[in-house]
Amino acid sequence: GAGVSQTPSNKVTEKGKYVELRCDPISGHTALYWYRQSLGQGPEFLIYFQGTGAADDSGLPNDRFFAVRPEGSVSTLKIQRTERGDSAVYLCASSLNAGGSTDTQYFGPGTRLTVL
Amino acid sequence: DQQVKQNSPSLSVQEGRISILNCDYTNSMFDYFLWYKKYPAEGPTFLISISSIKDKNEDGRFTVFLNKSAKHLSLHIVPSQPGDSAVYFCAATISNFGNEKLTFGTGTRLTIIP
Repeated sequence: GAGVSQTPSNKVTEKGKYVELRCDPISGHTALYWYRQSLGQGPEFLIYFQGTGAADDSGLPNDRFFAVRPEGSVSTLKIQRTERGDSAVYLCASSLNAGGSTDTQYFGPGTRLTVL
Repeated sequence: DQQVKQNSPSLSVQEGRISILNCDYTNSMFDYFLWYKKYPAEGPTFLISISSIKDKNEDGRFTVFLNKSAKHLSLHIVPSQPGDSAVYFCAATISNFGNEKLTFGTGTRLTIIP
């Protein structure tokens, strides 16, 4: 596909469960970002990957949240012991990061997480 | 603290008229600003951007104005079309050719009245 894809599109889980959210960035994009959008708010930064490494995880709310990108392409956001406050739309974005100018971030459609 | 603010949660404009969406920021380190458009159940779509070295950038019906001294930017859409109805997010970042995490405002829902 040409754009950023995210799976699943919707995820309903129970409080205390573990969830994984997947992001497939645009092919060739080395930079990958995760954001979280709560109801009535704008997206909020969670974590940034350059290649395989998490270069900035300052937006992760606590240690229940973790993300990986083992081969520098697909990324997985993992949430342990989910809480009702984790309910939100989780957005993934990728950019070329070719250097020399500010890159446009292209967003996926998001995963809507509902914690009951 | 909200570093990027969009004080109008909604705006209605007649088709064919000009739509003006406003955004204010507080962090003087921001040097690159973007507008994203979002339809329901879709991710934000990049619309237009402006660097802090400019005060205006135009792309077709869309123009972004930046007033650095006032820490204010605006998006003008003219003429407005029904397909422009969406939520518009203002975003800002610090250019460093690496981590360019975006700080978003809360969005303005624009409705174009046919």
